[in-house]
Amino acid sequence: GAVVSQHPSWVICKSGTSVKIECRSLDFQATTMFWYRQFPKQSLMLMATSNEGSKATYEQGVEKDKFLINHASLTLSTLTVTSAHPEDSSFYICSARGRKGQSSTEAFFGQGTRLTVV
Amino acid sequence: AQSVSQHNHHVILSEAASLELGCNYSYGGTVNLFWYVQYPGQHLQLLLKYFSGDPLVKGIKGFEAEFIKSKFSFNLRKPSVQWSDTAEYFCAVNGNSGGGADGLTFGKGTHLIIQP
Repeated sequence: GAVVSQHPSWVICKSGTSVKIECRSLDFQATTMFWYRQFPKQSLMLMATSNEGSKATYEQGVEKDKFLINHASLTLSTLTVTSAHPEDSSFYICSARGRKGQSSTEAFFGQGTRLTVV
Repeated sequence: AQSVSQHNHHVILSEAASLELGCNYSYGGTVNLFWYVQYPGQHLQLLLKYFSGDPLVKGIKGFEAEFIKSKFSFNLRKPSVQWSDTAEYFCAVNGNSGGGADGLTFGKGTHLIIQP
């Protein structure tokens, strides 16, 4: 299957700082990328959908000014948590869909990023 | 709005036992249905998916699931589990109009532990 890589796998930051998480499709061109958030013992919640070269579409209740998403190329999307606070601590997971073959009918997931804000 | 309900949060079985994990969904239209597995420390992996056609879907590692439209259910089954099946299992759904890989609505997951 296609490979999606997230970086970093975990990050600790101070309250008030910003953190950037990268999501890369390693062996296919990702026309669409999705960002999810998972709280402990909860399900994954879709935060936003981004298509390459256009603005992200945020789900209801997700602050677009706090969670900045950029999908500038067909292999990279970034999620920046701005002015992070302890309540932003969570597990963030990206997934990507391509335009051809298997990657066009299935979204592949990254390994997730554990963010802890202290 | 879509929602997915997984009946069991924790399941403990012995090796060779049969497995059935329940999943019910709520959605107003035609849906695509998925089961994902997450082994400790690893990515979410697709076990199987249903878009249309035969409601009994076979996936990887001996898993299968049956879509019962009248019950809004998509239960996951395996006739004989192995210790290596210990993992977190997620049922997910999205609307059919967007194809198979639009944003998903996930259930809360079932933590399966297989005792040797």
